[in-house]
Amino acid sequence: KAGVTQTPRYLIKTRGQQVTLSCSPISGHRSVSWYQQTPGQGLQFLFEYFSETQRNKGNFPGRFSGRQFSNSRSEMNVSTLELGDSALYLCASSLVGAGDYTFGSGTRLTVV
Amino acid sequence: KQEVTQIPAALSVPEGENLVLNCSFTDSAIYNLQWFRQDPGKGLTSLLLIQSSQREQTSGRLNASLDKSSGRSTLYIAASQPGDSATYLCAVRRAGSYQLTFGKGTKLSVIP
Repeated sequence: KAGVTQTPRYLIKTRGQQVTLSCSPISGHRSVSWYQQTPGQGLQFLFEYFSETQRNKGNFPGRFSGRQFSNSRSEMNVSTLELGDSALYLCASSLVGAGDYTFGSGTRLTVV
Repeated sequence: KQEVTQIPAALSVPEGENLVLNCSFTDSAIYNLQWFRQDPGKGLTSLLLIQSSQREQTSGRLNASLDKSSGRSTLYIAASQPGDSATYLCAVRRAGSYQLTFGKGTKLSVIP
């Protein structure tokens, strides 16, 4: 079966711009989570969506937002990009209740 | 606030050796614990998931144990191979939460 698909794989943006990342979960998975990975901070939780509702949000500024569509696909948006937003952004999906998260390959965002 | 620690940060072993990776967490009220593997520049691959009610899980040459009361988990890798070289991450999901809290990982190098 197809895994978690994240697009695009790589992005280069300029400070001050905004960016939208996309995640398509495994078919049947209704929970989608987003994580930011940096060398200094490691993996940090951004937010989690289920049935188009955000159930959990991590400790990130309001510039980071997300949404989930009725087909469970999710997008995250970062506005007014800063150099420190350069990171690998990972999406994970899960069957509700299973607690077993499957991750995508990530989107590598570079802010210059 | 849950904190997850992985020791050592890096480990180098000769091929064929058995090894143990350690993970400790501060809040024992967990729902489950998951071990992942990450290759350079890639996403996370799930290795083993242990529910809070379980003591261990096995998959091939991998065995993970969980001692919830002491806040510890170990990942045992038998007969290590060069292909096992990667960063191994431990992640804890707190009861009632939908987010994973990750350790910083152990970077394993298996020398041929």
